[in-house]
Amino acid sequence: AQKITQTQPGMFVQEKEAVTLDCTYDTSDQSYGLFWYKQPSSGEMIFLIYQGSYDEQNATEGRYSLNFQKARKSANLVISASQLGDSAMYFCAMREVSGGYNKLIFGAGTRLAVHP
Amino acid sequence: NAGVTQTPKFQVLKTGQSMTLQCAQDMNHEYMSWYRQDPGMGLRLIHYSVGAGITDQGEVPNGYNVSRSTTEDFPLRLLSAAPSQTSVYFCASSYSPARNTEAFFGQGTRLTVV
Repeated sequence: AQKITQTQPGMFVQEKEAVTLDCTYDTSDQSYGLFWYKQPSSGEMIFLIYQGSYDEQNATEGRYSLNFQKARKSANLVISASQLGDSAMYFCAMREVSGGYNKLIFGAGTRLAVHP
Repeated sequence: NAGVTQTPKFQVLKTGQSMTLQCAQDMNHEYMSWYRQDPGMGLRLIHYSVGAGITDQGEVPNGYNVSRSTTEDFPLRLLSAAPSQTSVYFCASSYSPARNTEAFFGQGTRLTVV
């Protein structure tokens, strides 16, 4: 069973508009962490934002916010005021505890294109 | 600030050859891991280590070996390269395996097996 599901292979948005990238997850753990990473065309993985399962407030980091709905097991990334430099692949990931150690499980990613 | 350094950035191997992908971090992180990235599949965990001398298998370990003799280094060895191992490989490190901390990634190694 897929642990992290990103249902949007590709998205596009107009510059300066907001966009939501979807992520749902599956876990039976009570304590977990959810992450979003950006991968530009240059290939590196850039950490964007983190949400802990016990955090009551949605995480925010500048123009990035995480819409965390625990009951629905969703952790959508919202990018406000999109910029051309936001064009990239975006990966949702979850830290899962297995064998006493935690591991990052990634979704398949969403490719975002920002149009001028 | 070096962070996580991977070498080489690009490599072409012939089927059956062996090689080692190098990974080094200078942040004194306990937790290091190797992922492979294939189109449409995101990143999949190959092996990980929670400290020097301790390694374990991830989701797709077959065909790969790792060792962790120091905190800084976590090399990934391909024993006998196969075309199915053509992929982009990422090394990552985190401060602790027991905390919900972000992983820092290297720049990646693009490996082609012909």
